[in-house]
Amino acid sequence: QSVLTQPPSASGTPGQRVTMSCSGSSSNIGSNYVFWYQQFPGMAPKLLIYRNNQRPSGVPDRFSGSKSGTSASLAISGLRSEDEADFYCATWDDSLSGFVFGTGTKVTVL
Amino acid sequence: EVQLVESGGGLVQPGGSLRLSCAASGFTFSSYDIHWVRQTPGKGLEWVSYIGTTGDTYYVDSVKGRFTISRENAQNSVYLQMRTLTAGDTAIYYCARGGDDELTDAFDLWGRGTLVTVSS
Repeated sequence: QSVLTQPPSASGTPGQRVTMSCSGSSSNIGSNYVFWYQQFPGMAPKLLIYRNNQRPSGVPDRFSGSKSGTSASLAISGLRSEDEADFYCATWDDSLSGFVFGTGTKVTVL
Repeated sequence: EVQLVESGGGLVQPGGSLRLSCAASGFTFSSYDIHWVRQTPGKGLEWVSYIGTTGDTYYVDSVKGRFTISRENAQNSVYLQMRTLTAGDTAIYYCARGGDDELTDAFDLWGRGTLVTVSS
């Protein structure tokens, strides 16, 4: 059972803005950087956001991350059909002395 | 080409053992932390273990005492020795590189994964 909670699904039409949350606690999100990963079916995950809100080179600026207290959010603006994927948040947990992933959010483009 | 390639997965009986390998190429392997992350088919991601550049190791509680991670820099490889396997260990196992500098703690490079199935 994951210590980071995400909504199981999110959806939008092309061009819309979609957001998803990642809820944790003071021992994980509250005191460490948050990372976001995108995973397409049958593929390995890919780093999407690091240090709460930074994008690796090659990641479109349509993707943005934020963090406040013990929660984080990922937003996709100008939604495209190719954005359909699963998205996972992740961070280090000081109490567990290990990394933890969120439960994952499946984004559907209607 | 910068890549990670896992191998060693397969079918194993409950209580059995398996050794996974992660071969790196295209970068200075010894300068990076390496992680193992698993995913039950159709389910979410679970971080399993990591080994740092100095050999420090961490494990998720559910595998402590059963899994051992090690690295051989001369071979550009990381290994995950898994013992006393249960059905709960059935998953795709990915190795991932821990980033450096501002990408510290980010899993910035992933392999394609190797499937471990624990079943009688």
